[in-house]
Amino acid sequence: DQQVKQNSPSLSVQEGRISILNCDYTNSMFDYFLWYKKYPAEGPTFLISISSIKDKNEDGRFTVFLNKSAKHLSLHIVPSQPGDSAVYFCAASARGGSNYKLTFGKGTLLTVNP
Amino acid sequence: KAGVTQTPRYLIKTRGQQVTLSCSPISGHRSVSWYQQTPGQGLQFLFEYFSETQRNKGNFPGRFSGRQFSNSRSEMNVSTLELGDSALYLCASSSGQGAGNTIYFGEGSWLTVV
Repeated sequence: DQQVKQNSPSLSVQEGRISILNCDYTNSMFDYFLWYKKYPAEGPTFLISISSIKDKNEDGRFTVFLNKSAKHLSLHIVPSQPGDSAVYFCAASARGGSNYKLTFGKGTLLTVNP
Repeated sequence: KAGVTQTPRYLIKTRGQQVTLSCSPISGHRSVSWYQQTPGQGLQFLFEYFSETQRNKGNFPGRFSGRQFSNSRSEMNVSTLELGDSALYLCASSSGQGAGNTIYFGEGSWLTVV
């Protein structure tokens, strides 16, 4: 049973436009959420995170929104750049003893076209 | 500050053999976790160590094991290799204490079993 779902395997946007990547989760114990970016043959690179006590966190061009009632989060990239083309993973961790275990979605391949 | 370092980066093994992968965490980080990435299953949690103790374990068979040393460096071992063990093995580190820890990944070790 997938506890973290990224329902769009791929997304294509034009350079300069907004990229919106979505993620849904089912486990109500999750209280910390992270987005990672991954290029082929490299490890995931941390982008941005959000705690369940917040509904928005912003870092430069990246903003993560959390809707706890809908168990949904999204990553907005504005403006999108060709270098943003990569696979984006949503990940979640739960409070308590599993605080240091991440559950990942299957990723969304973002392609930003020049 | 040096990142998470994994060795070797690439290796080829034969079915039935065993393999040991090594990971040096970010300086000061006491939690080390391991993940397996395959095209079909995405990123899956193997186990997490903190202060030489396994604190979390994923749903992998007993052929997968790990350990952590007093300097926080970690190794994972896979015995009796199967073709399906071919994957990218990722090590990650975090401070390991408190809620909402960000986890940082290494470049990974690519294992091919033939």
